[in-house]
Amino acid sequence: SQQGEEDPQALSIQEGENATMNCSYKTSINNLQWYRQNSGRGLVHLILIRSNEREKHSGRLRVTLDTSKKSSSLLITASRAADTASYFCATVPNQAGTALIFGKGTTLSVSS
Amino acid sequence: ETGVTQTPRHLVMGMTNKKSLKCEQHLGHNAMYWYKQSAKKPLELMFVYSLEERVENNSVPSRFSPECPNSSHLFLHLHTLQPEDSALYLCASSPWTGGPKNSPLHFGNGTRLTVT
Repeated sequence: SQQGEEDPQALSIQEGENATMNCSYKTSINNLQWYRQNSGRGLVHLILIRSNEREKHSGRLRVTLDTSKKSSSLLITASRAADTASYFCATVPNQAGTALIFGKGTTLSVSS
Repeated sequence: ETGVTQTPRHLVMGMTNKKSLKCEQHLGHNAMYWYKQSAKKPLELMFVYSLEERVENNSVPSRFSPECPNSSHLFLHLHTLQPEDSALYLCASSPWTGGPKNSPLHFGNGTRLTVT
């Protein structure tokens, strides 16, 4: 069953602009992870944020987590054409099970 | 590369064929996963193996049969598939210290399967 849902479904920006993608989920979580997928490739892990963390940074990436609103955001600053990809949030629910449950993703296009 | 290798990259098969997808990881992980990615749908978890034992089977039809002979290799045996099974099949691995509760997944580049 779908847990995370990304918003917007598609985003087009110019190089140098910032891109913000949001993720909402339904049940309490252990952690939330963001992945990137380039066309025709597998998913690449970007950031893992635990339920007791509020913000994490990695290079040009900033992830926030608001467990009271059951939402997370991924900010990519100073975007580049190479950032063009689909971005997925995935959650590990607290209930029993080993699943990492993915949303449908946001497709980001960065034009030069 | 990712450390997780999937073969073949592309596969076209008829509904009466039998074929197998292969996944190999070189990361020293002991958990492996099969996911299905269909157009306009979220990734669907199919199977999870930990230390070569299946720990999760997500109500997958029996025409999909997984096999994990050791912690580095994972297979997905396919037989009598339907056209709606056409999708990208992704293999992933992780350390098994609680699986994705503690560690991210490492994905291969997938096998693009087309069932005709």
